[in-house]
Amino acid sequence: AQKITQTQPGMFVQEKEAVTLDCTYDTSDQSYGLFWYKQPSSGEMIFLIYQGSYDEQNATEGRYSLNFQKARKSANLVISASQLGDSAMYFCAMREPQGGNTPLVFGKGTRLSVIA
Amino acid sequence: GAVVSQHPSWVICKSGTSVKIECRSLDFQATTMFWYRQFPKQSLMLMATSNEGSKATYEQGVEKDKFLINHASLTLSTLTVTSAHPEDSSFYICSASPSGSLVFGPGTRLTVL
Repeated sequence: AQKITQTQPGMFVQEKEAVTLDCTYDTSDQSYGLFWYKQPSSGEMIFLIYQGSYDEQNATEGRYSLNFQKARKSANLVISASQLGDSAMYFCAMREPQGGNTPLVFGKGTRLSVIA
Repeated sequence: GAVVSQHPSWVICKSGTSVKIECRSLDFQATTMFWYRQFPKQSLMLMATSNEGSKATYEQGVEKDKFLINHASLTLSTLTVTSAHPEDSSFYICSASPSGSLVFGPGTRLTVL
């Protein structure tokens, strides 16, 4: 079974609008960490935001916020005030346990296109 | 902040040759590094976990004899693609965990002709 599910292969958003990228995860562990990365065409993995399973408040980093709904096992990324430079692939990923020296498991990604 | 470098950033080789990719942690020590492979328009798939001073752990379906991993020091892991074939053409990315966080290298784009 997939551990990370991103159901939106592609998304379009108008410049300056907000957009939500969906991510659901599957784990039986109590301790885990959820990550979002941006990957432009250059290929580099740019870290955006992190949410630990024990964190009670939703993570925010500038224009990025993570809508963490633990009971529903979802960790959606919200990008506010979209910019043309936000056009890229976005990956949701999980690590078990939180803070452990373990690899990330990635979802299939969502390609975001910002339209002027 | 912590930085992971990779060399080379891109490489083109002939079918049947071997290619070595280096992953270095520049300002921290990494007892463990992770190697991922990303085919075009796909996600990152974990290939193996590289452990300093011991054998690498490979994911199911990854050929150990084809993808040789050597973690020779606390700052260097190498991935050697032996007898490369066109289907090995991919983007290879390494990552390491300084103090619980995760840092990715910039990736190596391999094209096998």
